This record gives sequence, C-alpha cells and structure tokens, in this order.
Amino acid sequence: ETGVTQSPTHLIKTRGQQVTLRCSSQSGHNTVSWYQQALGQGPQFIFQYYREEENGRGNFPPRFSGLQFPNYSSELNVNALELDDSALYLCASSLTSRGQGANVLTFGAGSRLTVL
Amino acid sequence: QKEVEQDPGPLSVPEGAIVSLNCTYSNSAFQYFMWYRQYSRKGPELLMYTYSSGNKEDGRFTAQVDKSSKYISLFIRDSQPSDSATYLCAMRGYNFNKFYFGSGTKLNVKP
Repeated sequence: ETGVTQSPTHLIKTRGQQVTLRCSSQSGHNTVSWYQQALGQGPQFIFQYYREEENGRGNFPPRFSGLQFPNYSSELNVNALELDDSALYLCASSLTSRGQGANVLTFGAGSRLTVL
Repeated sequence: QKEVEQDPGPLSVPEGAIVSLNCTYSNSAFQYFMWYRQYSRKGPELLMYTYSSGNKEDGRFTAQVDKSSKYISLFIRDSQPSDSATYLCAMRGYNFNKFYFGSGTKLNVKP
C-alpha cells in the first residue's frame, strides 16, 4: 500500500507567478483534500475533490484552483502568487461516501512554497 | 474567535513525564475528534480518533473528549524523546467535508 506522495517538495517563486502542485493519493482512497499550513499554524482547508469535482471550499480566493483525475491524483494551482501564499501545502487523501464522512486523513509530506 | 484554540507551547518536559495537551472549540456541531502528530518537515500523521464524548486509550496515549465543556485532551504517559513533535488537534461535524485544526502544540521531551 503506497501512501500519499506530493511533488515538488520545495519550490521558490516570485510574486505574480503561477504554481502547480501535484499529489498522488493513497491506494484505495477516492477523495483528495488540500490544506495550507502557514509557519506555526495549523492546516487550513483549501478545498476537496471527490469524483473529479470540487466538493467544498474553504476561505480561499478563486486564484486557488484544483483538479482531480480519474486515478484520484490531484493538482493544486495558484495564480498571481502573493507573499502570503508562502506556506506548506498539504495534500490529504481519504475514503469517503459522496465526499463526506472521512475520519482519517492520510497526509503527504507537503510541498513547501516560498514566494519572494 | 477561532473555531479551534490550542496552546502553541512550546512544552518542554523530562523523559518519562506525563504530558497533557489540550484544545477548546466553539462549534457544538463537532462530533469527531482527532489528534495528529507532525514531525518537522513532515506531514501530519493520525494518532487518535474519538467520536463524541468519552475516553479512548491506545498504548501510551489517551484521548479525552468533554463535549459539554467543548474541551479535548491528549495524554502521553512515559513520554519519550521520540515523542518530540508538534501535536495538532482536529475535528469535524457530522457530514462535514473538512477538518478544523488547532494551531498545534510543540512538545520537546528532554532525555
């Protein structure tokens, strides 16, 4: 059983640029959630994808967007990067019914984004 | 007011001590409560999961939930240096599709 893998592990961008982060979910999981973890803070929910559709969104602007693919892998895209976007981006996969009911989130190690 | 409040620490204890970690929350709809451990430069890993009020024990770890007080705790007995990490509480309501996390408490267990 493979866990959640994320890429890249680290990246540096400048303000205004765009970034794509990738996630492969754990085998057997059908739902992917993305969280942003600023330094010294807990993870904040960005959005969740179930059956290739967005299934819930946190308090993040539309320049944060995502995709889920038929194999349940996922991408997080952030446009027009701002300095405050610097954070650890965590992908978590789970097994849910219609996108709800997960009690166990399996997290990847994260992608650490620095915006200069 | 944040949905979930957690003392950031850091909490420094000697090896073998009993550690108490706590979170308070404001949303009475929360029914599922979790504790995650996060080592530096790693993603969070699930330690304990509890539904509604009560206690749950797993080895050296005990999770307690008091829904009437909106207060949850994690106790670590016989703490080890390998327990040094940041501990995150997390919770969700029934049919919620997202978890609400505390800001994490950094624990340092000194040999």
